[in-house]
Amino acid sequence: DAGVIQSPRHEVTEMGQEVTLRCKPISGHNSLFWYRQTMMRGLELLIYFNNNVPIDDSGMPEDRFSAKMPNASFSTLKIQPSEPRDSAVYFCASSLSGEKLFFGSGTQLSVL
Amino acid sequence: AQSVTQLGSHVSVSEGALVLLRCNYSSSVPPYLFWYVQYPNQGLQLLLKYTSAATLVKGINGFEAEFKKSETSFHLTKPSAHMSDAAEYFCAVSENTGRRALTFGSGTRLQVQP
Repeated sequence: DAGVIQSPRHEVTEMGQEVTLRCKPISGHNSLFWYRQTMMRGLELLIYFNNNVPIDDSGMPEDRFSAKMPNASFSTLKIQPSEPRDSAVYFCASSLSGEKLFFGSGTQLSVL
Repeated sequence: AQSVTQLGSHVSVSEGALVLLRCNYSSSVPPYLFWYVQYPNQGLQLLLKYTSAATLVKGINGFEAEFKKSETSFHLTKPSAHMSDAAEYFCAVSENTGRRALTFGSGTRLQVQP
């Protein structure tokens, strides 16, 4: 298996623009997680899905952030409009039954 | 609510020396505990996990951790550091009640000096 695949690896955008991050989990995994990593706040859970259903989105910073999982093999995290303080590395992870998370390589987002 | 505290954001050891990375947890229910490692420009990889079986857990690359309930600790150790161990290490906790998401500590960056 190719592991968790995230795209793009790097995204540079201007403040106010819409940003969409993509994730393909490992086939057969039933849980998917979006994390954000910054120097100041470390790793923060944004949202997680179980069987494509959002279970906990309490970590989503505000209404500008939204996440979807239309099927078991694809998820998106959207930021609209983006702001400089959204600059971070965004990780997607998947797991089977939640005990061991497999992380993607992350998307480095820079909002200018 | 669950949380983990990692003491020391940076740890430096000499090659061949003992590695000790500290983690204390807080959880209202029996926890699952994990150590993950992150190499530069990569995602996190699982080193080891504790899920209420043996309190001494052995992981990959010679690392191990001991769950001590009385101290609410889950420190990570390795008898002899190798240059390739230089990375950032994260302790994480989840509750074994069905909520699957992990709460991560702030991380400890390990430097290994030649």
